[in-house]
Amino acid sequence: EDQVTQSPEALRLQEGESSSLNCSYTVSGLRGLFWYRQDPGKGPEFLFTLYSAGEEKEKERLKATLTKKESFLHITAPKPEDSATYLCAVQATSGTYKYIFGTGTRLKVLA
Amino acid sequence: NAGVTQTPKFQVLKTGQSMTLQCAQDMNHNSMYWYRQDPGMGLRLIYYSASEGTTDKGEVPNGYNVSRLNKREFSLRLESAAPSQTSVYFCASRAQREGSEQFFGPGTRLTVL
Repeated sequence: EDQVTQSPEALRLQEGESSSLNCSYTVSGLRGLFWYRQDPGKGPEFLFTLYSAGEEKEKERLKATLTKKESFLHITAPKPEDSATYLCAVQATSGTYKYIFGTGTRLKVLA
Repeated sequence: NAGVTQTPKFQVLKTGQSMTLQCAQDMNHNSMYWYRQDPGMGLRLIYYSASEGTTDKGEVPNGYNVSRLNKREFSLRLESAAPSQTSVYFCASRAQREGSEQFFGPGTRLTVL
């Protein structure tokens, strides 16, 4: 069964304290892995797509990486405005139109 | 471009009442989706529409119906609301190309008493 697991569930960081969020996945074949940011009371906002192991994408303080079993979202020198829930999703080759979401990591960055 | 829009933003229903959640996108996307989001359970797919004129069940379709009115609009109907349907509902759309990302609407927060 296709599955996505995110860890930790919640993370508190001091401003400037770098860390990583993990997304482990089990799929028969990976078509794409997606990272989203979700602010309270809003819809998920797209951040990155990764397609194959070894691929990396960067945007400001965020960097996403992908291996054959997991993805990491690295946050370098975070700021309070980076506080949000970060969601990971995969699209498997077996289900062209379906996306499987993890339950997210709630990140709080303290000033 | 407005992206994906949803109405209403908030709704309170009594058990047994019906309602329709509206979704529209202006990105010329073929595929559209309805999800519900509950604490600790992540986003779960209710129904999706791969293209205009087609709809398919997702993970949790019971108690819901959908209509793909045209390429832009995809509505979700609750015929007889139940407290278990209290949730936040998100509509999403995506382009046809393989591995494309989904774009989400702002959500509808529904409470069923």
